[in-house]
Amino acid sequence: AQSVTQLGSHVSVSEGALVLLRCNYSSSVPPYLFWYVQYPNQGLQLLLKYTTGATLVKGINGFEAEFKKSETSFHLTKPSAHMSDAAEYFCAVKRAAGNKLTFGGGTRVLVKP
Amino acid sequence: DVKVTQSSRYLVKRTGEKVFLECVQDMDHENMFWYRQDPGLGLRLIYFSYDVKMKEKGDIPEGYSVSREKKERFSLILESASTNQTSMYLCASRPGTSEKAGNYGYTFGSGTRLTVV
Repeated sequence: AQSVTQLGSHVSVSEGALVLLRCNYSSSVPPYLFWYVQYPNQGLQLLLKYTTGATLVKGINGFEAEFKKSETSFHLTKPSAHMSDAAEYFCAVKRAAGNKLTFGGGTRVLVKP
Repeated sequence: DVKVTQSSRYLVKRTGEKVFLECVQDMDHENMFWYRQDPGLGLRLIYFSYDVKMKEKGDIPEGYSVSREKKERFSLILESASTNQTSMYLCASRPGTSEKAGNYGYTFGSGTRLTVV
């Protein structure tokens, strides 16, 4: 069975500061990994994904994440937070074969001026 | 762009009512999913369907059923609504083959916030 743990249900950052959202997973086979963002009153939007190849993945809106197999982690970062980054972020994992996405509990990001 | 449309943004239903949540996608995707979103729990899979009239249970199917009579439409049914089913419900779709799936992305609808009183 797969599981995803996001450390911290709420994160507060100052505008211009580094954003770091942590995600650890457990999976019996190499997974595909995703980060999604949810803005208020909207559905989920894909930020970035790792399937194979380069372990540092760049996504939309200046976000990136690094797959570290030895640490079973896929942390999301952005060098400089913007007010528009205030949202909830979800890490998710999927087996290469299969349809099921398993999500973490989510991290809500607050950006302070 | 793929659109996944959920028919209602907000619903209020009474305990014991039969509730239908509708989802329609417009890009001929084979796979459709229903998730439930609760604070601190993230999204949990209720049911998914990989073809017309085909369905599989997800992690929390109890109290729910689904219907997929047409490829573009996937309905979630609460046979007898209870207060513990008050939640945000999200529908998603995804192509069936890796070639069409490309980057394996799922497209989500905007959600239906259901309150059972």
